[in-house]
Amino acid sequence: DIVMTQSPDSLAVSLGERATINCKSSQTILHNSNNRDSLAWYQHKPGQPPKLLISWASTRDFGIPERFSGSGSGTDFTLTISSLQAEDVAIYYCQQYYITPYTFGQGTRLEIK
Amino acid sequence: QVQAVQSGGGLVKPGGSLRLSCAPSGFTVSDYYMSWVRQAPGRRLEWVSYITPNGHTVDYADSVKGRFTVSRDTTKNLLTLEMNSLRVEDTAMYYCTRGHWALDSWGQGSLVTVSS
Repeated sequence: DIVMTQSPDSLAVSLGERATINCKSSQTILHNSNNRDSLAWYQHKPGQPPKLLISWASTRDFGIPERFSGSGSGTDFTLTISSLQAEDVAIYYCQQYYITPYTFGQGTRLEIK
Repeated sequence: QVQAVQSGGGLVKPGGSLRLSCAPSGFTVSDYYMSWVRQAPGRRLEWVSYITPNGHTVDYADSVKGRFTVSRDTTKNLLTLEMNSLRVEDTAMYYCTRGHWALDSWGQGSLVTVSS
């Protein structure tokens, strides 16, 4: 199975500052169909289902604010929130969908400093 | 926002069975891959299963293979997960989702507790 490892496990950032979350896959996840990395990012708030933020490592889903961006390639990926808002407090997960079993990172808890 | 309404779940003894249902809002199960994802307490999200739009192909995590069955009813626009031979380690919040790669629409979740 592909192992997804996120860092850090938790992060505290001041409002308006940048938050950066890293995700590393145990092997490359480049999809044959479109030559793009099979990597998604989700935001998960208590009492709510997870919400898709980004697919294919860098494509924002519909309605996701521009302050959320994804980058990276190969085995190393990053989710960046350019200017942290109060409503961004959540746990963030990366996921590979290159091959089943599709696997998730352990999550990064983002809080306000 | 919740884009599918889930039902089922509850408390069951080890070895028991449960059925989860998922009624999507704004789309039909016959047009999309559909998946189940779960999260045990304090654990990461775990992919469980998917079914293709035509229902002809399914796939399961090894941890549930042979015990869980995913299906869909196109006449009712319903996705179901039949869970048999439940184990304590199956205790989790179960989510139905749209897609099988990036998962873009989620149900509100169904809590399954397996305990004697």
